[in-house]
Amino acid sequence: SQTIHQWPATLVQPVGSPLSLECTVEGTSNPNLYWYRQAAGRGLQLLFYSVGIGQISSEVPQNLSASRPQDRQFILSSKKLLLSDSGFYLCAWMTRGLGGPDTQYFGPGTRLTVL
Amino acid sequence: SQQGEEDPQALSIQEGENATMNCSYKTSINNLQWYRQNSGRGLVHLILIRSNEREKHSGRLRVTLDTSKKSSSLLITASRAADTASYFCAATNTGNQFYFGTGTSLTVIP
Repeated sequence: SQTIHQWPATLVQPVGSPLSLECTVEGTSNPNLYWYRQAAGRGLQLLFYSVGIGQISSEVPQNLSASRPQDRQFILSSKKLLLSDSGFYLCAWMTRGLGGPDTQYFGPGTRLTVL
Repeated sequence: SQQGEEDPQALSIQEGENATMNCSYKTSINNLQWYRQNSGRGLVHLILIRSNEREKHSGRLRVTLDTSKKSSSLLITASRAADTASYFCAATNTGNQFYFGTGTSLTVIP
């Protein structure tokens, strides 16, 4: 069966420090991978998605970046965190059916607080 | 933006009552999905309805889709306290992106 892992679960970082969040998927190959951010009590904002190794699409210009060094590994990074980067970060992978996108499966999330 | 919008934003009901949440979207879709999120957790997929379907059932869940009105509804029958969570709709087209709404926060009072 497929499993998606995210770590760390919680993170408190000072403004200006770097960030690296990691997401890995097991039990599937060549998945679409996604990073979302969710502000408190709000919906999901798509940050990046990837359809393959080294292929990254950015939805929102900001000081975050993403990389996919391996098929089932997706990394979210920042060189210098801002206060506005605080939030709940969710990684997801997606299956594709014959007719197009199917279901997304989410990781447990990382709660990031920037102080 | 193709983002969906749910209403109401918040809903509070007594255990045993039915809960209805609505979702509207802005463009043509391939399918529409509903997800549930417990506080501080990831989203869990509940049900998917394709653009050529009008109604779908899964246990206590009933989803309808009206593509002419670009809207969907999620009905949870005989609600339980454990149904307390936020519920999101997500619209997809034939591309690779999901467009999530802002969610409905459901509270079921025991």
